[in-house]
Parts: sequence; structure tokens; C-alpha cells
Amino acid sequence: GENVEQHPSTLSVQEGDSAVIKCTYSDSASNYFPWYKQELGKGPQLIIDIRSNVGEKKDQRIAVTLNKTAKHFSLHITETQPEDSAVYFCAASPFDKFYFGSGTKLNVKP
Amino acid sequence: GAGVSQSPSNKVTEKGKDVELRCDPISGHTALYWYRQSLGQGLEFLIYFQGNSAPDKSGLPSDRFSAERTGGSVSTLTIQRTQQEDSAVYLCASSKNGGFEAFFGQGTRLTVV
Repeated sequence: GENVEQHPSTLSVQEGDSAVIKCTYSDSASNYFPWYKQELGKGPQLIIDIRSNVGEKKDQRIAVTLNKTAKHFSLHITETQPEDSAVYFCAASPFDKFYFGSGTKLNVKP
Repeated sequence: GAGVSQSPSNKVTEKGKDVELRCDPISGHTALYWYRQSLGQGLEFLIYFQGNSAPDKSGLPSDRFSAERTGGSVSTLTIQRTQQEDSAVYLCASSKNGGFEAFFGQGTRLTVV
């Protein structure tokens, strides 16, 4: 089955700096890659996603890049704000299921 | 509804009791997923429904766990003879088309004492 690895497990940045979270996957059949943000006590929230026929997608301060050849994808957050502090999960979907990374705890220091 | 709804939001039960957790998916979503999240951990896949069928039950940790879905909508996850290690947050997600754009509920926090 699919195996998704996510790094780093924790990330601390100063407000206004950029944050990058990286994931790799193993199954070349994966064709959809969502990112979720989970705040304390809440369910994961879909923040951005990318399909395998696209290399990059941007939504305001958030962007995701995908390298199908290398089987890795990344989340980029620019101009970080304290409200960006949360746990972020990447996922890969080869067919009907989602395989999640282990999560990155992002701390944005004011 | 506007989003995925789970009930109850919190459940405390005594060891050995049975519990039922409910998930109301977004209207029209055919795919439904159950995940378990232990404190500070990642998302552990439990079971996946497409309509009322469960093509993948591979994540259910033991035969104490079962799930059903009726009318292609509401799903119930049942844990029999609960154990302390069952304590976790149980998350439900739904997707209009399996494998794309899954939306999660707020979860049910289960505590077995």
C-alpha cells in the first residue's frame, strides 16, 4: 500500500517568516494530494489540494508543489501569522482511500 | 447539512461497555471514512464506505469494532466491550467522489475509564 512520510515533525518560525513542510509518497498511482490543518480540539480542515496533472497551486499565502518524478510534494506558507499555528497533515490518494503523513506541529512565534 | 456532523462530541464510558458513534456526512457524499486519532498522534484509518458497502475494512483493529452505513448516508461505528486503549478521538470524513476532497467532522472524543 501507499506510504506517506512527512517532515519535519515540529517547526517553529518567527511571525512573518515562511514555513515549508515536505512529504514523500511511494505509490505512483497516487493522483490526489490534500493538505489539512488541525487546530486543537477540532477536526482536520482541508486547506489546499493538488492533483497529479498540476505541478503547483497557490491560494493567497499558501502554495503546494508536486514533483511526480521524485514522488514528493510540499506545503509552503508565506508571511506566517500566529493563527497559522496548528498541526498540518499531508495525504496521498491512489484510488478511493487517503493515506496520511504523521503530521507537522507548526508554531508561529509573535 | 453544511458539514460533516458527529455525535456525541464527547463520550465517557466504563471499561467493558459498548458504545455507538454516529456520523452524518455531507448530503450527496457517497464516500465515508472513519479514522482514529490517539492523543498527539496521526490519523489511523479504520474503514471506508462507498454507498452502503464497505470495500475496505482493513483498518478495524479487532472484531470488537464494527461499522455500518444505511441509506447511503448516516454511519455508525460500534465498539463492543470497550478497553482503555480504545480511548481516542474518532473522526469521520465524507467525499463526493471517493479519493477526492474529503471533509472531516469535529470528531468524537471517547474516554474509557
